[in-house]
Amino acid sequence: ETGVTQSPTHLIKTRGQQVTLRCSSQSGHNTVSWYQQALGQGPQFIFQYYREEENGRGNFPPRFSGLQFPNYSSELNVNALELDDSALYLCASSHYSPLGAKNIQYFGAGTRLSVL
Amino acid sequence: RKEVEQDPGPFNVPEGATVAFNCTYSNSASQSFFWYRQDCRKEPKLLMSVYSSGNEDGRFTAQLNRASQYISLLIRDSKLSDSATYLCVVNSPDSSASKIIFGSGTRLSIRP
Repeated sequence: ETGVTQSPTHLIKTRGQQVTLRCSSQSGHNTVSWYQQALGQGPQFIFQYYREEENGRGNFPPRFSGLQFPNYSSELNVNALELDDSALYLCASSHYSPLGAKNIQYFGAGTRLSVL
Repeated sequence: RKEVEQDPGPFNVPEGATVAFNCTYSNSASQSFFWYRQDCRKEPKLLMSVYSSGNEDGRFTAQLNRASQYISLLIRDSKLSDSATYLCVVNSPDSSASKIIFGSGTRLSIRP
C-alpha cells in the first residue's frame, strides 16, 4: 500500500452541484497532485500543491480548485458540476524538490464520481 | 500534437513473448520519466523510473532517447500477470512549477 488515502470512494452528484474530495498524503511527502481519469484514458493532470500553494496546473477550468493543509493533506473542489466531470479522481503524493528530484507519484485508490 | 503519446494497443501476446512499447514526448525540456502500470479499476503504480543510461529491473528494461524524445519499455519472458495498462509519464517544467503528463496508456494482454 502507498499510504495515500482518499475519501469518499464513490460519490453521486447532480449537474450544477459542488463536490469536495479529500486526500491524505504519505508520511514524509510534501506535495499532492490531483488527476482526472475518464474511462479508457490516462490520468489528466489537474494541479499540484506544494507547501500549501499551487505548483503547476493542467488544462482545467477555474471551477476546479484545491487546497493543501499544513499536514500536507489536500482537497479538490469542483463547482457547477457537469456531466463530463464523471470520472475517477486520483490523488498522488510525492516528495518534490525544486532542485530536481524525480517527483515519483504514489497514488491513492481514487474517488469515483458520477454526475447525473 | 499531444504532449505525451503512446500506442493504445491492445497488444495481445503469448506467455513467454517479448514485447516493447514506445512513448514520445513533445517538450524537450522534460526532466524525468517513468513507467506506471495500471490494473483494471485500480490506481496506477510505479513500475520503474527511466534513466538516461537505460535501466533494467528483472524482466523489464527502460530506455530514454532524448535526441528523439522517446522512452521505451521492454518486457521479456512475459507472464500472465503482466496483463495491464502501461502508462508513460513525463515530468516537465512549466515556468517555475512542475507539470506531470500521462500518456493514454498501452493495453497489454498476455494469453496462455
